Amino acid sequence: KNEVEQSPQNLTAQEGEFITINCSYSVGISALHWLQQHPGGGIVSLFMLSSGKKKHGRLIATINIQEKHSSLHITASHPRDSAVYICAVRFNNDMRFGAGTRLTVKP
Amino acid sequence: SAVISQKPSRDICQRGTSLTIQCQVDSQVTMMFWYRQQPGQSLTLIATANQGSEATYESGFVIDKFPISRPNLTFSTLTVSNMSPEDSSIYLCSVQGGVDEKLFFGSGTQLSVL
Repeated sequence: KNEVEQSPQNLTAQEGEFITINCSYSVGISALHWLQQHPGGGIVSLFMLSSGKKKHGRLIATINIQEKHSSLHITASHPRDSAVYICAVRFNNDMRFGAGTRLTVKP
Repeated sequence: SAVISQKPSRDICQRGTSLTIQCQVDSQVTMMFWYRQQPGQSLTLIATANQGSEATYESGFVIDKFPISRPNLTFSTLTVSNMSPEDSSIYLCSVQGGVDEKLFFGSGTQLSVL
């Protein structure tokens, strides 16, 4: 069983739609990261969460430690948001990654 | 934030040879992480490298196959030894830092083993 489960695996949206990507984990963690990977490009860190909620521009990330669940929301989605979004959790000195959610935003 | 320079960006290697990948960070960091990303898959942590101590390897990865050096707080290397086609992958390094404690990644090394 994968310690980090992401859903959905693939997501296609129309420009302007509100997007939600979910991440569930099965271990006690010290931190959770949301990463963005563009095709052929590098990996960019969007957020590090240990509790509560963070917002940056059109991106919002939330975490519920008791329920072992985090969500990444994108408001007013745009084609340039098309990428793979990866959830990563840190527990003890280990890091585990979700399989990623491939988001395609169509104009 | 941290800026990481990773070299080489890509290489094509023969079976049985070794390749050393370098990561240079523009600031001092305690821990550096090395990952593998196989085609179409997410990231897998290979090892965590602390300066002044042996790297800590994840299950399935061993020092003889992936020796790591960490001579100072800004530099690390990962060697992929005795390569086989199954080692064809993207290899990345990262550090954690900044006020937001985000992860910063190198641009990756695309390795193809023939």
